[in-house]
Amino acid sequence: DGGITQSPKYLFRKEGQNVTLSCEQNLNHDAMYWYRQDPGQGLRLIYYSQIVNDFQKGDIAEGYSVSREKKESFPLTVTSAQKNPTAFYLCASRNSQGANTGELFFGEGSRLTVL
Amino acid sequence: AQSVTQLDSQVPVFEEAPVELRCNYSSSVSVYLFWYVQYPNQGLQLLLKYLSGSTLVKGINGFEAEFNKSQTSFHLRKPSVHISDTAEYFCAVSPLENTDKLIFGTGTRLQVFP
Repeated sequence: DGGITQSPKYLFRKEGQNVTLSCEQNLNHDAMYWYRQDPGQGLRLIYYSQIVNDFQKGDIAEGYSVSREKKESFPLTVTSAQKNPTAFYLCASRNSQGANTGELFFGEGSRLTVL
Repeated sequence: AQSVTQLDSQVPVFEEAPVELRCNYSSSVSVYLFWYVQYPNQGLQLLLKYLSGSTLVKGINGFEAEFNKSQTSFHLRKPSVHISDTAEYFCAVSPLENTDKLIFGTGTRLQVFP
């Protein structure tokens, strides 16, 4: 079955440590996204990538970094510079070929707790 | 710039009752409109979308939404809810010329009681 796989589902880290969240898709989608979800705030865009080896900052990129070395993979690193990293992180992808309707397909999320 | 307002943060309702979840948006350009559903500790799943054409859009699980351009609204409705509809619902918009910019509302938690 095609889809998006995020790992780990739950992650605990100490303050000051960098953390990398994995996102893999087998939908053959060009575009991939990382969102952060906090209670009562909806989803906010961290980074997105429209094509391999290229990515753009979203609305809240500070303290995060990404890479896009392969079409299928878009890992997110939460660095120690991120002031409030505890959140639910969602990865998504979109088929940007043909009719560009903006529909996103989401993974099941990674919940990061910084102690 | 676009913005989305979901007027109710929580909507409690009894099973088999009708429900309406409200969504208003603001945009100076034409937009696509979406409703997504999120079950606890899961990602989001598309319920329905409005791209063009008929203003009444039917989605999965018996949900429908009506696009009202003059009132800039895209309210979600279901005539009879089930316990399994308990979830968080998000309205979202994106401008036609830049579908990477999907703007989400803050969500409405639908709680269905037996």
